[in-house]
Amino acid sequence: NAGVTQTPKFQVLKTGQSMTLQCAQDMNHEYMSWYRQDPGMGLRLIHYSVGAGITDQGEVPNGYNVSRSTTEDFPLRLLSAAPSQTSVYFCASSYDGLGVTDTQYFGPGTRLTVL
Amino acid sequence: LAKTTQPISMDSYEGQEVNITCSHNNIATNDYITWYQQFPSQGPRFIIQGYKTKVTNEVASLFIPADRKSSTLSLPRVSLSDTAVYYCLVGFTGGGNKLTFGTGTQLKVEL
Repeated sequence: NAGVTQTPKFQVLKTGQSMTLQCAQDMNHEYMSWYRQDPGMGLRLIHYSVGAGITDQGEVPNGYNVSRSTTEDFPLRLLSAAPSQTSVYFCASSYDGLGVTDTQYFGPGTRLTVL
Repeated sequence: LAKTTQPISMDSYEGQEVNITCSHNNIATNDYITWYQQFPSQGPRFIIQGYKTKVTNEVASLFIPADRKSSTLSLPRVSLSDTAVYYCLVGFTGGGNKLTFGTGTQLKVEL
């Protein structure tokens, strides 16, 4: 099992550009989430999905879109990048919860810089 | 919304027991308490989870008093490799946008 994989590992964007952060898991988990982590801060939930075709907003959803067409993939789209979106992005998955009643597995992260 | 409060940092020495307390005064009946560990440049890793009383696994123990307004993560005989940030997470399945990791506790273990 590869677990949770994320691509790219690093990305630099200019303000206004768009891009998609990829996330995939091979554990057949229903629940997937995207978090951002700013320097010296904890993780904040951006969007999450409880299964294919179902997504919902987390704590900080503005400026991001998600979709879940398959169980395995959960891409995060930045519509028009802003310097405030400079952060490290983590994708996570779990079997039957959002990591509270079930172990949540995290990917290695994508470090994004917006100039 | 179950907000958590943890110490910002703690220092310890190898071989000592470390206890990190998390305060969650407005924990709801359905909420579970979960602790994660995060090393620099890595995603968080699950350590332990509990609902009440005491839970123990191969790496840690979790103590939860009867009122569940706080919890204590206990790391026995820490080593240098336990230097990391530890997060207390309170919530329940379906909590969705109510889940938050907080700022965590930076544990530094020295020789």
